[in-house]
Amino acid sequence: DTAVSQTPKYLVTQMGNDKSIKCEQNLGHDTMYWYKQDSKKFLKIMFSYNNKELIINETVPNRFSPKSPDKAHLNLHINSLELGDSAVYFCASSQDRGLAAQETQYFGPGTRLLVL
Amino acid sequence: QQQVKQSPQSLIVQKGGISIINCAYENTAFDYFPWYQQFPGKGPALLIAIRPDVSEKKEGRFTISFNKSAKQFSLHIMDSQPGDSATYFCAASIEGNTGKLIFGQGTTLQVKP
Repeated sequence: DTAVSQTPKYLVTQMGNDKSIKCEQNLGHDTMYWYKQDSKKFLKIMFSYNNKELIINETVPNRFSPKSPDKAHLNLHINSLELGDSAVYFCASSQDRGLAAQETQYFGPGTRLLVL
Repeated sequence: QQQVKQSPQSLIVQKGGISIINCAYENTAFDYFPWYQQFPGKGPALLIAIRPDVSEKKEGRFTISFNKSAKQFSLHIMDSQPGDSATYFCAASIEGNTGKLIFGQGTTLQVKP
C-alpha cells in the first residue's frame, strides 16, 4: 500500500545508454513531479504534470523526457546518459485543490542512478 | 531571486538540546514555507509549514519562526532526539505557481545520545 512508488530503486548503467524510471501513486492525486537530488543533496524540480498535462518544465537537457500515460503514473526517460546524470531521482505527487503551490508533496523512495 | 539560502550545512546537537536551522529568501512573492525532513535512503516528507500571515507555528517539538520583514524563517527542534537525525530542507513557493517548490540547500542534523 505504498503511496508513491518508483522502479527501479537502483540503476547502474553505462554512458550513452537510454534508461527509464517509472513512478506510480495510489493517492488519487492530480499532480506529479520529478526532482533531481545531486551528490550534495540539493533538490531541484525538473518537471510536473497535472492530469497528464505538463505544467512545469525546468531547464533540463532535452535528453530527459517525462511521460504521463494517466494521472497515476509519471515516467522519466533519459537518452544518451552522461556521467553528470548520476543522482537520486525522486517522484512526488500532490493533490490539486486550486492551491497547488501549498499542497503537501508526497515523495517516493527515490531511484539511485549511477552512470559509469 | 528564486533562491532560498539555508544554514548551517551541518549541525551536531546533544540529546535534549535545541536544534536551530535558518533560511533566508529574496523573493517577496513567496507565500508558503514548508520544511521537509529526509532520512537516509528515503524521500523527503513534509514536517511543518507556515504562511506569512503568522509569525510562529508549533507542532509538538517542532516550531517555525517567521520574520517577514527580514525575509527569514527558521526551524527549531526542542528536546532534540537521536531519532531526529536527518537532513532538513526549507522550501518556498508562490501561490498559484502550480506547486513549484524552491528548496534550500539542506542541513544534516546529527543528534548525539
